[in-house]
Amino acid sequence: DAKTTQPNSMESNEEEPVHLPCNHSTISGTDYIHWYRQLPSQGPEYVIHGLTSNVNNRMASLAIAEDRKSSTLILHRATLRDAAVYYCIVYPHNNDMRFGAGTRLTVKP
Amino acid sequence: KAGVTQTPRYLIKTRGQQVTLSCSPISGHRSVSWYQQTPGQGLQFLFEYFSETQRNKGNFPGRFSGRQFSNSRSEMNVSTLELGDSALYLCASSPERAPRMAFFGQGTRLTVV
Repeated sequence: DAKTTQPNSMESNEEEPVHLPCNHSTISGTDYIHWYRQLPSQGPEYVIHGLTSNVNNRMASLAIAEDRKSSTLILHRATLRDAAVYYCIVYPHNNDMRFGAGTRLTVKP
Repeated sequence: KAGVTQTPRYLIKTRGQQVTLSCSPISGHRSVSWYQQTPGQGLQFLFEYFSETQRNKGNFPGRFSGRQFSNSRSEMNVSTLELGDSALYLCASSPERAPRMAFFGQGTRLTVV
């Protein structure tokens, strides 16, 4: 499986945009990039996924580098409820998901 | 639509005992995966079932086993419990048309004393 590298922690101010980076230099052509987040005392929650093109949904945007060796999850306006651990996962179709340590996002009021 | 339901939510067992955890996936989802989460090791993949067949397995000892029933409900069993098995056990289900969108339950918190 392709390995991912994320910062251990990040801080953001409420209502400001947040850019969460992820490096996946060993990604292969068929690997999808997924983001999940885990709020305190809850199971992980799907956020977004993509293959090559940038993706947007109601929760976030996913910007994928042209060489696909890195990606960035963008929260356009952070709220206190976005405080969570964010996981970037890269894996091939039909294989299981392997979670890394993730990035703990703190949102300050 | 009801989410993924895991029972029980909390469990205390003694070393050497065995335990069975249950997971009811979202209606229509045929894929069910299990994860173990501990402060030291993070989220680790246990196994995945699809249509009653184990499709993938993580690096856990044979004491950890699972099964899936024809209604897609799944159970996992841990035999001869050890203190290190204390963890949050999470179940996730995925739809066939979007296998990468996993929906997680709230987990079962197992404490082994």
